[in-house]
Amino acid sequence: EPEVTQTPSHQVTQMGQEVILRCVPISNHLYFYWYRQILGQKVEFLVSFYNNEISEKSEIFDDQFSVERPDGSNFTLKIRSTKLEDSAMYFCASSPGDRLDEKLFFGSGTQLSVL
Amino acid sequence: QKEVEQNSGPLSVPEGAIASLNCTYSDRGSQSFFWYRQYSGKSPELIMFIYSNGDKEDGRFTAQLNKASQYVSLLIRDSQPSDSATYLCAVKGYSSASKIIFGSGTRLSIRP
Repeated sequence: EPEVTQTPSHQVTQMGQEVILRCVPISNHLYFYWYRQILGQKVEFLVSFYNNEISEKSEIFDDQFSVERPDGSNFTLKIRSTKLEDSAMYFCASSPGDRLDEKLFFGSGTQLSVL
Repeated sequence: QKEVEQNSGPLSVPEGAIASLNCTYSDRGSQSFFWYRQYSGKSPELIMFIYSNGDKEDGRFTAQLNKASQYVSLLIRDSQPSDSATYLCAVKGYSSASKIIFGSGTRLSIRP
């Protein structure tokens, strides 16, 4: 079965540094998402992306965050100046379309630790 | 007001019994409802989805939806130790490419 691939699986960075989390969605999918999950807390929506632009973003997704689809396969999340509270598991997801029953296919996540 | 609410648990159920998980949501415009299972340190995986009022069965799992009460539930019959996980209720709104919002999850523990 096709998979969403995320790299790296673990990322350690110093506070104030920029990080880029990478994702390769399933090839024929059109909708892409980033979610995050702080340890012990719920899965939180960050941003959705369709047709090369942001469809929707949450309050968490402030100016420190950006997303990009630099080529036909990759989908990246950049955090410009990381804070301690950005430490979380970041999940990329994709879906083929926008039907009611369309499910999200999740990657295995990138565990980001900000020191 | 929380958008998707779940009892955090833990819910402890003996092996072979029925586990019942509940969820309420605040947005009446919500269209689709999903149950995901998440093992510790892993990504969510889809168990069931439902978008019409009533029951939907898939193997040992039954999802129930009552839009008037804004209530979704998941029943797991013949519970197995491998069912021990956190179950996430998720809700999708009405617009295309709409975000899916997750509840905080219910921890389920199946005791042998």
